[in-house]
Formats: sequence, structure tokens, C-alpha cells
Amino acid sequence: GENVEQHPSTLSVQEGDSAVIKCTYSDSASNYFPWYKQELGKRPQLIIDIRSNVGEKKDQRIAVTLNKTAKHFSLHITETQPEDSAVYFCAAIGGSARQLTFGSGTQLTVLP
Amino acid sequence: GAVVSQHPSRVICKSGTSVKIECRSLDFQATTMFWYRQFPKQSLMLMATSNEGSKATYEQGVEKDKFLINHASLTLSTLTVTSAHPEDSSFYICSANLLQGAPEKLFFGSGTQLSVL
Repeated sequence: GENVEQHPSTLSVQEGDSAVIKCTYSDSASNYFPWYKQELGKRPQLIIDIRSNVGEKKDQRIAVTLNKTAKHFSLHITETQPEDSAVYFCAAIGGSARQLTFGSGTQLTVLP
Repeated sequence: GAVVSQHPSRVICKSGTSVKIECRSLDFQATTMFWYRQFPKQSLMLMATSNEGSKATYEQGVEKDKFLINHASLTLSTLTVTSAHPEDSSFYICSANLLQGAPEKLFFGSGTQLSVL
């Protein structure tokens, strides 16, 4: 089955700086890669996603890049704000899989 | 957007009792729902896939007799933690697909924090 690895597990940045979180996946059949933001005790919220037929997608301060050859994808947050502080999860699905496989999560802290 | 409602949000129970958690799709029908368990500062671990009208599919290592799943209608799945013990204390969360086979249409419930004394 699919295996998704996520790094780093914790990340602290100064407000206004950029943050990058990286994930790798094992199943070359995976073709959908979402990113979720989860605040403490709350439900995960989809913030951006990408399909395997594109290499990059951007939505305001958030962007995701995908390298199918290397089987890795990354989340980029620019001009970080304190409200960006949360746990971020990457995930992957594709092929015959019926459910998402999640990464281990990254605790992002944006320092004011 | 689609809404998945989960109740209760928090429950505290004594060891040995059973706890039922409900997951409802409010404005769409979900033939499949997923149940996850999440420990503090850890990822979402899939416990089982709930299938309307049939038996749930459990992930390896998850005791089906301990975590009973019932998906009796297209809008409701329940997870019952039977004879709960302190090690069952965790954050449980469900999810449902708005559209079968469309993972981008996955919506999560608000989660249930279970504390077993």
C-alpha cells in the first residue's frame, strides 16, 4: 500500500517569512495530493490540493508543487501570519486505493 | 459546502462502559464513511471504512469487537467503543465523501474527544 512520509515534524518561522513542508510517497499510481490544516481539537480543513497532471498550483499565499518522477510534493506558505499556526497534513491517494493515506503531520508555529 | 456532523464533541466515561459516537452527513448521502483515531500531536490513523448496508472494513490491528461500526442509513454511521479503558482515550474523527470515488470531496466531522477514567 501507499506510504507517505512528511518532514519536518515541527517548524517555527518568524511572521512574514516563508514555510515549506515536504512529503514523499511510495505508490507511483497515486494521483491526488491534498493538504489539510488542523487546529487543536478541530477537524482537518482542506487548504489546497493537486493532481498528478500538473506540477504546481497556487492559491494566494499557499502553493503546492509536485514532482512525479521523484514522488514528492511540497507545501509552500509565503508571508506567514500567526493564524497560520496549526498542524498541517499531507495525503495521497490513487490507483486502487479507496482512502487517503496521511503523512505524520507538521506543527507549524509562526512567531509574532 | 457539504457538512458532516459528529456528536458528541467530548465525552468522559468510566472504565468498562460503552460509548457511542455518531457521524451524520447533513446535506448529502454517503455510502462510505471513514473512522479515524488521532493521538495528541500525531497523524490521523484510519481505523475502519464504514459501508452502508454492509459490514465495515477494519484496518489491520483494529479490534472489530471493540470498535463496533454501524452504517444503517445513507446519512448516519456510528462508532461504539465497547468496554472502554483508559488506553482508548483519544480523539476520534469521521469523514465522508460527498461524491463516491472523489477523494477531493472528503469532509471531516468535528471530532470526539474521548476520555476514559
